[in-house]
Amino acid sequence: KAGVTQTPRYLIKTRGQQVTLSCSPISGHRSVSWYQQTPGQGLQFLFEYFSETQRNKGNFPGRFSGRQFSNSRSEMNVSTLELGDSALYLCASSSPLVGTDTQYFGPGTRLTVL
Amino acid sequence: AQKVTQAQTEISVVEKEDVTLDCVYETRDTTYYLFWYKQPPSGELVFLIRRNSFDEQNEISGRYSWNFQKSTSSFNFTITASQVVDSAVYFCALSAAQGGSEKLVFGKGMKLTVNP
Repeated sequence: KAGVTQTPRYLIKTRGQQVTLSCSPISGHRSVSWYQQTPGQGLQFLFEYFSETQRNKGNFPGRFSGRQFSNSRSEMNVSTLELGDSALYLCASSSPLVGTDTQYFGPGTRLTVL
Repeated sequence: AQKVTQAQTEISVVEKEDVTLDCVYETRDTTYYLFWYKQPPSGELVFLIRRNSFDEQNEISGRYSWNFQKSTSSFNFTITASQVVDSAVYFCALSAAQGGSEKLVFGKGMKLTVNP
C-alpha cells in the first residue's frame, strides 16, 4: 500500500498570503488528522476529519481551516499568514473502527513565511 | 487534560550501547493508547510501537522493547545494541478513545545521536 502523501513538500509565502496544503491518506483510511510542528511548541494537533466531517479541533485560530473530500483526501488552508505560521505541517491517516487506531504520517509540508 | 512528558531532551551514545527513552503521561481516561514514533532528519514521523491501557504486557520486537507501567504512568522504550541509523528524534504520544476521535498528544521529543 502506498503511504500518506502530502503536497507540496516545500512552500515559501509572504505575510498576509494564504496557503492550501493537500494530504492523500492511505487507501481505505477514512480519518485524516493534521499537526503543526515548530521548534518552540513541538507537535500540536490542528484538527481531524472523518467521513468529510470535522470531528475534533485543536486550539488554533480560525485562520486555520480544513476540509475532507468524499475520497478521504484532505486539505488544510491557512489564511492571512503570519511569520509564526512557519512550521512543518504533518498529515496522518488512520482507519478507526473501534477506539483509536494507529496514525500513519506523511512526509510533511515545510512552510516558510517571509 | 492529557499530557506527555519526556524529561530527556537529548542523548548521545556509542554504537552497540543500549538506550532507554523515558516517557511519563497524564490522563483521566480509563481507556487510552500510547505510542512511540521516530522522526529521522527527513521529517516524516515513523510509527514504532503502540500499547493499549488495558494491556500491560511488555514485549520485545527485534531490538526494540518497552516497559508500560500504569502504576507509575510510564511508558519507557529501549533500543538494544543501538546503531547509527537509530539516530533520530523520538516522540512518545498519548491518545484517548473519545468517541473514536483521533487526536495524539505528543511529548517534546528526545534527540538520540548514535555515534560510530
